[in-house]
Amino acid sequence: GAGVSQSPSNKVTEKGKDVELRCDPISGHTALYWYRQSLGQGLEFLIYFQGNSAPDKSGLPSDRFSAERTGGSVSTLTIQRTQQEDSAVYLCASSSSGGYYTGELFFGEGSRLTVL
Amino acid sequence: SQQGEEDPQALSIQEGENATMNCSYKTSINNLQWYRQNSGRGLVHLILIRSNEREKHSGRLRVTLDTSKKSSSLLITASRAADTASYFCATDGNDYKLSFGAGTTVTVRA
Repeated sequence: GAGVSQSPSNKVTEKGKDVELRCDPISGHTALYWYRQSLGQGLEFLIYFQGNSAPDKSGLPSDRFSAERTGGSVSTLTIQRTQQEDSAVYLCASSSSGGYYTGELFFGEGSRLTVL
Repeated sequence: SQQGEEDPQALSIQEGENATMNCSYKTSINNLQWYRQNSGRGLVHLILIRSNEREKHSGRLRVTLDTSKKSSSLLITASRAADTASYFCATDGNDYKLSFGAGTTVTVRA
């Protein structure tokens, strides 16, 4: 596609349920990033993929969070047993460069997660 | 962790005025980038300045970088209502990711 696509755009779930957030990066972009943005806050890094591997998972807040990327393209961020503090906008970004040098990131519109 | 910190947190100016915001960071960097975020939207890349550059221009944007002071500034000249947004600096610190600050919210009054 022309840009980074994220789905769903909005998700309301009950505490304790699992959610999956999807990111479809720009075609050909090898680097993919997930960030989390709480209301009125900056971006919190979650995980980085280069191809299908994740050299840096250091930002995942707990073992309830996991992410995978298949075929060097689509990525899924899964949150198990959601908690109210998981409520945030989850932003995905892709880049044609990655690794030790991080170039321009192209962001999706985000998935807004609300945990009741 | 947030490497960059923007100052001020919020800025309100009249249309046509200039807006200046600053970013400070802690560790050495490859480059520093500025992004804009309109309310409820994703971030859009504005400009990238490399660690060996001191100043860069793009349209009405001017970015400076002082690596000795670990700081950068973003100047928007002749502001317009459409410039109303949050602006974030982000640093590439040789650690596989961009680290973002908390942002400066700019409101341009008509």
